[in-house]
Amino acid sequence: EVQVLASGGGLVQPGESLRLSCAASGFTFAITTMTWVRQAPGKGLEWLSGISGSGRDTFYADSVMGRFTISRDNSKNTLFLQMHSLRVEDTAIYFCARPPEGYDTDWSKLAFWGQGTLVTVSS
Amino acid sequence: QSALTQPASVSGSPGQSITISCTGTISDVGLYHYVSWYQQYPGKVPKLMIYDVAYRSSGVSDRFSGSKSGNTASLTISGLQAEDEADYYCSSYTNNNTVIFGGGTKLTVL
Repeated sequence: EVQVLASGGGLVQPGESLRLSCAASGFTFAITTMTWVRQAPGKGLEWLSGISGSGRDTFYADSVMGRFTISRDNSKNTLFLQMHSLRVEDTAIYFCARPPEGYDTDWSKLAFWGQGTLVTVSS
Repeated sequence: QSALTQPASVSGSPGQSITISCTGTISDVGLYHYVSWYQQYPGKVPKLMIYDVAYRSSGVSDRFSGSKSGNTASLTISGLQAEDEADYYCSSYTNNNTVIFGGGTKLTVL
């Protein structure tokens, strides 16, 4: 069974850093593109970043470029999102997600989502 | 890059059909056939309903269909049912190798 589980959220102050993790199981992680998406309270979905299976290719939304870094450890089937200089407006539930089976290299569509981890940025 | 434009809300009665539009630009919706639609219930994880403009995800009812014309994609739900009441989001691949979501549409079944 495909599973992705995000963790690492919490309460931080503006300007601080936080690293999120996403544990994956039930599929060949090393060949699968992975994505981070967030949703602020009561708001819509926002795509943040995607990473290729090898980790060589990474892409970011303008809103987090230069502050957030996506990475992965294929030996541990884990995806990361390192967040720096956090702002109040970064408060959201952060989801990790992967494409449908058979579309391992395609991050335009997300079929398997973790439950998300809540990040609250507040003084 | 601005979010794709969706109506904030749509409504319909059981049995009716509704269409939710998703307008982008020549750099995203107009350029690629990589438009997806997601259904999200309050407090739940989004569910992929439609991908690549018109392909239904596994297990999704054939009451859901997708299409695209120019820079605008559409999700149509026919034979509306109470269980369809949810938030719906479109997304598109972009020419920056990123993905952009729409602002979301709240569907109310009257």
